[in-house]
Amino acid sequence: DARVTQTPRHKVTEMGQEVTMRCQPILGHNTVFWYRQTMMQGLELLAYFRNRAPLDDSGMPKDRFSAEMPDATLATLKIQPSEPRDSAVYFCASGREGGGTEAFFGQGTRLTVV
Amino acid sequence: GQNIDQPTEMTATEGAIVQINCTYQTSGFNGLFWYQQHAGEAPTFLSYNVLDGLEEKGRFSSFLSRSKGYSYLLLKELQMKDSASYLCAGMDSNYQLIWGAGTKLIIKP
Repeated sequence: DARVTQTPRHKVTEMGQEVTMRCQPILGHNTVFWYRQTMMQGLELLAYFRNRAPLDDSGMPKDRFSAEMPDATLATLKIQPSEPRDSAVYFCASGREGGGTEAFFGQGTRLTVV
Repeated sequence: GQNIDQPTEMTATEGAIVQINCTYQTSGFNGLFWYQQHAGEAPTFLSYNVLDGLEEKGRFSSFLSRSKGYSYLLLKELQMKDSASYLCAGMDSNYQLIWGAGTKLIIKP
């Protein structure tokens, strides 16, 4: 049963600390997305990778956020330093490039920054 | 600019039919997706339309009109488990998904 795996599922951290979220996309998928979801903003695209290359990270605050794909089986999203306004659910999704191919979402990381 | 509009919230009765509308504006168009998201869970894929017309899948159907930039999701024989948010997303020319804010559907007995 192929699925996108995200770790950790929940994270509580203090303001100023570094947070790293990890995602294992489905094998064979060549696109990876990082989204942030809050009640106020809905789903916001933070970063988009195709074949491990970053294509769009315009939605990501560059001063504190960074996204990488060190290899095809791992995508990471880091926040340093974290702030209370970063509290949200962060979803990773993967898919195959092309029209008609849906994105499959991981279960998300619920981040709380106190 | 790119934009997806859908109602914030809808209420319907168990056993009834509900239609959730979505209008879209994307740079290029590679299809329209509907996702379902239960509270506290990840979005899951429901349907995809790229040609005009109605696609039926069990109790759920999705319609697309490209000339009008319009889609709807039709849910029949509503069940309590259908209470969720329904997300409309348009795929642009770069195969990126542009997401609506979601429609929260409340089902009453």
